Amino acid sequence: GAGVSQSPSNKVTEKGKDVELRCDPISGHTALYWYRQSLGQGLEFLIYFQGNSAPDKSGLPSDRFSAERTGGSVSTLTIQRTQQEDSAVYLCASSLAGGTGGKTQYFGPGTRLLVL
Amino acid sequence: DQQVKQNSPSLSVQEGRISILNCDYTNSMFDYFLWYKKYPAEGPTFLISISSIKDKNEDGRFTVFLNKSAKHLSLHIVPSQPGDSAVYFCAASYSGGSNYKLTFGKGTLLTVNP
Repeated sequence: GAGVSQSPSNKVTEKGKDVELRCDPISGHTALYWYRQSLGQGLEFLIYFQGNSAPDKSGLPSDRFSAERTGGSVSTLTIQRTQQEDSAVYLCASSLAGGTGGKTQYFGPGTRLLVL
Repeated sequence: DQQVKQNSPSLSVQEGRISILNCDYTNSMFDYFLWYKKYPAEGPTFLISISSIKDKNEDGRFTVFLNKSAKHLSLHIVPSQPGDSAVYFCAASYSGGSNYKLTFGKGTLLTVNP
């Protein structure tokens, strides 16, 4: 079956522009996560969606970052007025339900964002 | 403040030998630990996990050991194979509250030489 897909795979943008990153989770997975991996760093949690519950946005680094999940499936991460420090790989993951305890997160290949 | 630390950025071993990847954590609230493996241009894939009620979990060639008193865990791969060459991430979470939030280390690049 299809895994988590993300688009675009690479994105180069100019400082100050807005970007949208898309994530298609595995069908039937109710939980969806966004992470960011900056150069030389581990994955950093950004946001979590679970079903119809209010998302946990506690990891978003600034109000320039926002995310939506429409119809409980596809998610879009939007970065407004991009800055050079936003350059990173943005990873999306999904799972059958929230939490760990064996409910592992399946990751997409990521979107490599470069802000010039 | 890094709560999950992988102090070795890289490790090189010979095929057939044991690979030992280490991870330390500082948050005593963590009670669930995972290892992920990542190939270039791919997302991380789940490898093995362990709950804090255990000190060892084994799955084929992969074994994770947890030493809670030392806040240390390790991943053993034996025998190592060239296909095991990848970046390995240690991750942790805690069951109270937001247990879906994984805190990751920076990763260790394992190279298994034929």
